[in-house]
Amino acid sequence: GNSVTQMEGPVTLSEEAFLTINCTYTATGYPSLFWYVQYPGEGLQLLLKATKADDKGSNKGFEATYRKETTSFHLEKGSVQVSDSAVYFCALTYQAGTALIFGKGTTLSVSS
Amino acid sequence: DAGVTQSPTHLIKTRGQQVTLRCSPKSGHDTVSWYQQALGQGPQFIFQYYEEEERQRGNFPDRFSGHQFPNYSSELNVNALLLGDSALYLCASSPGQTVSYEQYFGPGTRLTVT
Repeated sequence: GNSVTQMEGPVTLSEEAFLTINCTYTATGYPSLFWYVQYPGEGLQLLLKATKADDKGSNKGFEATYRKETTSFHLEKGSVQVSDSAVYFCALTYQAGTALIFGKGTTLSVSS
Repeated sequence: DAGVTQSPTHLIKTRGQQVTLRCSPKSGHDTVSWYQQALGQGPQFIFQYYEEEERQRGNFPDRFSGHQFPNYSSELNVNALLLGDSALYLCASSPGQTVSYEQYFGPGTRLTVT
C-alpha cells in the first residue's frame, strides 16, 4: 500500500545550522508530495508542495525536491531559527483535496 | 476571514460512551475531511464529506460516522468509545470544485477516553 517514511526525531540543532529531514514514500503511480508543519497547540499548516517529478517546492526558506528515482522528498533549510521549532510531517496524495497519507512526523528543536 | 474552527477543544469520555465533535470549514470551502492523530503519530484519514455525502473513507470501523450540513459544517460521531480512540481529532477543509491541493486544518479536538 501507499506509505510515507520519515527520519526518526527529535532533531536538535543550534540556530543557523543546516537542516535536513528525510522523507521517502512508497506509492503506485505519481502522487503529489507535501510537507506540513505543526506548531505547539496549533493545527497543521501546509509548508510546501510538489505535484510532479523534479518539481521543487519552497516556502519560508524551506525547500524540497520531488525525486522519482529515489522516491524521496527531503526537507532542507540552510539556516534554521528558534521559531522553526515544530513537528514536520511529510505527506502524499493522488488527487487534489482528497485523503492525505502522512508520515509519523519529525520533531525539530532549535536552540539559540 | 475565519479559518477552520473545531469544538470542543478538549473532551473526556468514559469507555462505551458516544461523542460528537464539530467542525466549521474555512469560508468558501465545501469539503470537510476528518483525521485522527494518536500521540506521536501522523494523522490518519477517517473520511471526507462533500455535498452532504461521504465521498471517501479510510480504514476506520463503522463506529466512526459523520455528517455534513447544508452550511458545509460537519460532525464526527464515535460510538462505543474504546481507550484506543484517545487522540487528537483534526478537521480539514478544502474547496471541492477547484483544483487545490491545500487542505486547511483546524486546531483539533483532544479526546481522552478513560
